[in-house]
Amino acid sequence: DTEVTQTPKHLVMGMTNKKSLKCEQHMGHRAMYWYKQKAKKPPELMFVYSYEKLSINESVPSRFSPECPNSSLLNLHLHALQPEDSALYLCASSQFSGQGVSNDFGPGTRLTVT
Amino acid sequence: AQSVTQLGSHVSVSEGALVLLRCNYSSSVPPYLFWYVQYPNQGLQLLLKYTSAATLVKGINGFEAEFKKSETSFHLTKPSAHMSDAAEYFCAVSDRGSGNTGKLIFGQGTTLQVKP
Repeated sequence: DTEVTQTPKHLVMGMTNKKSLKCEQHMGHRAMYWYKQKAKKPPELMFVYSYEKLSINESVPSRFSPECPNSSLLNLHLHALQPEDSALYLCASSQFSGQGVSNDFGPGTRLTVT
Repeated sequence: AQSVTQLGSHVSVSEGALVLLRCNYSSSVPPYLFWYVQYPNQGLQLLLKYTSAATLVKGINGFEAEFKKSETSFHLTKPSAHMSDAAEYFCAVSDRGSGNTGKLIFGQGTTLQVKP
């Protein structure tokens, strides 16, 4: 298996809802990432997990809570989001987190907060 | 800190014409550089990457890029555009400033339009 999968593909949630995004890879990669991408903009890094430990949090608001249950799974728990959080959320993985390592991206979850 | 600048937010070419997408980087050390493509409503796909092994890098779908240190550039080219090349293209650099994280820093992107 050489791909990163993400579910759901689309998600609409209210500002009081709690939802989760799921990401899975079976390539044996030991680093996983969450990016946020607004329309017509480049992806912005949110979190990096390296060997299932959180290694980078790019000052992301606490209403976004990442979780890495094992080396193949990455979740992003969402609570009390704002309309401005509507975006494409991309998961990525790489063999390890290091310089010169490319990220393999999933197709993304299109999130709309109403 | 590393950064990349993509010149031209929108490039339009005719089918069969040369594709040239420009990327300039800023880095105090030799950088690692990447080109990604994003089709509508999809994730990003790696086209090619430069990691100092060779200055001319060949990628997928007939794309290539040349690293020019003297010009701090890493422009993406393809000899003959296909309609299927229409997409958003991102140049990225691997950040060396925050430990060994390999964080990617993206340019603002270039939309490639291919006209029949």
